[in-house]
Amino acid sequence: NAGVTQTPKFQVLKTGQSMTLQCAQDMNHNSMYWYRQDPGMGLRLIYYSASEGTTDKGEVPNGYNVSRLNKREFSLRLESAAPSQTSVYFCASSPTSGYTDTQYFGPGTRLTVL
Amino acid sequence: GENVEQHPSTLSVQEGDSAVIKCTYSDSASNYFPWYKQELGKRPQLIIDIRSNVGEKKDQRIAVTLNKTAKHFSLHITETQPEDSAVYFCAASKSGGSYIPTFGRGTSLIVHP
Repeated sequence: NAGVTQTPKFQVLKTGQSMTLQCAQDMNHNSMYWYRQDPGMGLRLIYYSASEGTTDKGEVPNGYNVSRLNKREFSLRLESAAPSQTSVYFCASSPTSGYTDTQYFGPGTRLTVL
Repeated sequence: GENVEQHPSTLSVQEGDSAVIKCTYSDSASNYFPWYKQELGKRPQLIIDIRSNVGEKKDQRIAVTLNKTAKHFSLHITETQPEDSAVYFCAASKSGGSYIPTFGRGTSLIVHP
């Protein structure tokens, strides 16, 4: 049982390049989330998916798109990377939609945009 | 929407001392309050949580208290050890609809041997 996995672990992009961050969970969780973490800013929600087939914007969605490919996988895409998107990105999942519950985080992706 | 304030941003203690981190929230409908610990370079992990029908919860050296009237909750760590050094995040959310937690900005706890 791997929990939540993310790829890649590290990535360096040039301004304007695109990339997709991959996330998968093997815990049969309904809800999945993408956060970014910047120094002193805590965890800010980019997008979330309450269940397979649905996605919604979080606090900081600009410059990002997501796809809930199936119940296990939730990807985050940067179409045209900007230096302001330099951050650590965490994917998370939680067991049940519509109920308060624990979030399980992936190991993170450290992204640098030059 | 919900707003969560967390204080202090940095807390430095000597090994064996107690540490207290406080959070306030704005939405009186919030009913679930988890605390996450994030060690350097690692992912956040749940260490304790409390629901609104409970005033206090303990797990060995850590405890969380909730004051619904004042809309604040606190993390208490007793007999601190160097391995407690990490960033701690509080969060608040409410049931109904999608589970969307709002996180505090984090407290960096440093325990000096």
